[in-house]
Amino acid sequence: EPEVTQTPSHQVTQMGQEVILRCVPISNHLYFYWYRQILGQKVEFLVSFYNNEISEKSEIFDDQFSVERPDGSNFTLKIRSTKLEDSAMYFCASSPEQRSGANVLTFGAGSRLTVL
Amino acid sequence: AQRVTQPEKLLSVFKGAPVELKCNYSYSGSPELFWYVQYSRQRLQLLLRHISRESIKGFTADLNKGETSFHLKKPFAQEEDSAMYYCALRGRSNYQLIWGAGTKLIIKP
Repeated sequence: EPEVTQTPSHQVTQMGQEVILRCVPISNHLYFYWYRQILGQKVEFLVSFYNNEISEKSEIFDDQFSVERPDGSNFTLKIRSTKLEDSAMYFCASSPEQRSGANVLTFGAGSRLTVL
Repeated sequence: AQRVTQPEKLLSVFKGAPVELKCNYSYSGSPELFWYVQYSRQRLQLLLRHISRESIKGFTADLNKGETSFHLKKPFAQEEDSAMYYCALRGRSNYQLIWGAGTKLIIKP
């Protein structure tokens, strides 16, 4: 069964450093997402991406964050100048289509980011 | 405001007993509701969506618009049902999912 692949599984970084989290969505999926879950808190939507552009982003997704699909297979989340509160599990997800009832997300295993 | 509430952080029942995981939502319009499950050391995966009206692994969930609820039920719990269960709502935007805090279900032998 096809999977969404995320790397790294765990990254430790110093506050202020840049981090890139990588995702390989399922190959025939067209919609890509990033969610995050701070320890003990709810899963939160960050951004959705379709046709090489952001289709929606949350208030969390400020100028510190960016997404890119550089080569047609990878989907990356970049966090510039990380802060302590960016420590969380970051989930990538993809879905084949967006129409009502068909928007079933397949999630990756997550990338745990620890900011010291 | 769009919100999903799962009032129980933890639910512990004996094997063979009925299970009901509660989910209430706040949404103006026609919501799409989902249950996702995360087994130990596994990734989040879709369990049920209200639009399919299906039963998966013995679980069912009915959307009650009057009570704004989408409770997850199973008549006879099994040990392999132990997991974290998340209720989620597809918001007005049609892109993002709004999540509940999750309920950890423990099935005791």
